[in-house]
Amino acid sequence: DSGVTQTPKHLITATGQRVTLRCSPRSGDLSVYWYQQSLDQGLQFLIQYYNGEERAKGNILERFSAQQFPDLHSELNLSSLELGDSALYFCASSQGNPYGYTFGSGTRLTVV
Amino acid sequence: SQQGEEDPQALSIQEGENATMNCSYKTSINNLQWYRQNSGRGLVHLILIRSNEREKHSGRLRVTLDTSKKSSSLLITASRAADTASYFCATVDSRLTFGEGTQLTVNP
Repeated sequence: DSGVTQTPKHLITATGQRVTLRCSPRSGDLSVYWYQQSLDQGLQFLIQYYNGEERAKGNILERFSAQQFPDLHSELNLSSLELGDSALYFCASSQGNPYGYTFGSGTRLTVV
Repeated sequence: SQQGEEDPQALSIQEGENATMNCSYKTSINNLQWYRQNSGRGLVHLILIRSNEREKHSGRLRVTLDTSKKSSSLLITASRAADTASYFCATVDSRLTFGEGTQLTVNP
């Protein structure tokens, strides 16, 4: 157990649907990062939150959004899902630079 | 776009041998980190080396950093079957940017 909790572990949904992925960071970490991992794109940074505020944005589609709540858990919302959105979605947390990131075990999303 | 590029893409060795993986990156860095990922699992942080460090050790791991060449290497000594995984280097600016990884297979 890394200390970062992601739910659900697996999700199968149809095209056009909307899903929410949840992440609880490691205790004491204020930063939360979302990554997408697919076979053809590798590990892509999506977005970072720090203590409730968006800090950095990467290759996140407009159909995707995220937020970090006062208790520091974060949610990634994926809407109008397409087959190409099928991937592993990872959440990571960190105390900040220059510390390493702690990753959750991921949510495997399959869009059918 | 990927900041780091690992080389080789795949490496297959026998148990007990050493494994060396290389990483090249493009821009200035604050620090460089190596991670391991077992198939379909989350990434595990292995080691962090700061830009003013040249070498760092952690157990059977040895990492070097050459900022003039914008490259780093990860050496795993006396490899074990349990070391079979993908290994990624990641550079830090405002966030971690990962390379595409090296798939290491250690055969018993």
